[in-house]
Amino acid sequence: GDSVTQMEGPVTLSEEAFLTINCTYTATGYPSLFWYVQYPGEGLQLLLKATKADDKGSNKGFEATYRKETTSFHLEKGSVQVSDSAVYFCALKETNAGKSTFGDGTTLTVKP
Amino acid sequence: SAVISQKPSRDICQRGTSLTIQCQVDSQVTMMFWYRQQPGQSLTLIATANQGSEATYESGFVIDKFPISRPNLTFSTLTVSNLSPEDSSIYLCSKGTVTEAFFGQGTRLTVV
Repeated sequence: GDSVTQMEGPVTLSEEAFLTINCTYTATGYPSLFWYVQYPGEGLQLLLKATKADDKGSNKGFEATYRKETTSFHLEKGSVQVSDSAVYFCALKETNAGKSTFGDGTTLTVKP
Repeated sequence: SAVISQKPSRDICQRGTSLTIQCQVDSQVTMMFWYRQQPGQSLTLIATANQGSEATYESGFVIDKFPISRPNLTFSTLTVSNLSPEDSSIYLCSKGTVTEAFFGQGTRLTVV
């Protein structure tokens, strides 16, 4: 079945550091790929998405490119802020069946 | 973006009792999904709720413990039965389009 593997966490960075959170996937079809963010005590929020190969999703300074050849969707941000501290989930969604499969999540802590 | 309303947003329940969670979506969909997020964990699919037929449960989840109703194309309920402290989690409902998934804010259940 489908699966998503995220880099092991947690990740601790200083403010303005460069962020990369790795995500690779296994899927039988051509899924859509997502990054979700969950701030402490809050619900799940869509951060960005990409629906086909070579698409780049971007939002709030975060970017991720759908790489079919490496089955990856790594999340990057050039300069993190303390307010980016949260749990980040990589996920894929089957086009036909509709259900989503999530990675384990990566906890990011940004220190001033 | 889609609107998904879940009720209640949180509850504290006694062990041995049951909690029914309601989910209302803003447009008709064939499939709705129920997920569980245990403390510090990722989201795991419980079941797919299909209108007019029985829900399809994922491995490890059974109908007796998690009965689901789907009376129409915009509404579903999930009941968590015979509660134990291990059921303390956030429960989320979701709907999808061809390329995107939408999630409710979740129901935070604490079993005491």
